Amino acid sequence: ILNVEQSPQSLHVQEGDSTNFTCSFPSSNFYALHWYRWETAKSPEALFVMTLNGDEKKKGRISATLNTKEGYSYLYIKGSQPEDSATYLCALGGGADGLTFGKGTHLIIQP
Amino acid sequence: SQTIHQWPATLVQPVGSPLSLECTVEGTSNPNLYWYRQAAGRGLQLLFYSVGIGQISSEVPQNLSASRPQDRQFILSSKKLLLSDSGFYLCAWSSTGIYGYTFGSGTRLTVV
Repeated sequence: ILNVEQSPQSLHVQEGDSTNFTCSFPSSNFYALHWYRWETAKSPEALFVMTLNGDEKKKGRISATLNTKEGYSYLYIKGSQPEDSATYLCALGGGADGLTFGKGTHLIIQP
Repeated sequence: SQTIHQWPATLVQPVGSPLSLECTVEGTSNPNLYWYRQAAGRGLQLLFYSVGIGQISSEVPQNLSASRPQDRQFILSSKKLLLSDSGFYLCAWSSTGIYGYTFGSGTRLTVV
């Protein structure tokens, strides 16, 4: 059973500040690392799929890095806005047998 | 374009009653289909996945079952619900199982 850990569990950030949080995972047998943004009562929205060690991806003010050798990924949000409030999920993915998710980081942006 | 439909959005059911949640995908063929659940205080947990019609793999032994009667239809069922079945259920599909998972909008199930 894969163990995907996310920290912190929740985070309060002032509007305009930048923030980051962590996803840790077993470094052996790595296939792909997924980041999702999940708002209450909506579908999880795919942010990034990362496969290569050292990979960095960016989507607007959100970016992510990947270290497969030490088993972690960081998600960064620059200049937080109220609409960034959501739960951010990371997941390990491989074959057809689905994704293994962490418990998520619940981000609240305070105006 | 591909779309995924999941219903109902919310459901309140008494203990011991049956359950049927349906998920359908449009705009693709032979998708890999998945049922996930988020119970209170826990992360998303994979319940079942299917790589083809009639092919169901169960990840967690429980009070639930899944069926795939048609290529783009995935059904989650229970004969008798337990309180512990309460949670948020998400259906998802992927063409390869590696990239590009797309989720439905979810069903909030409360067993009372």
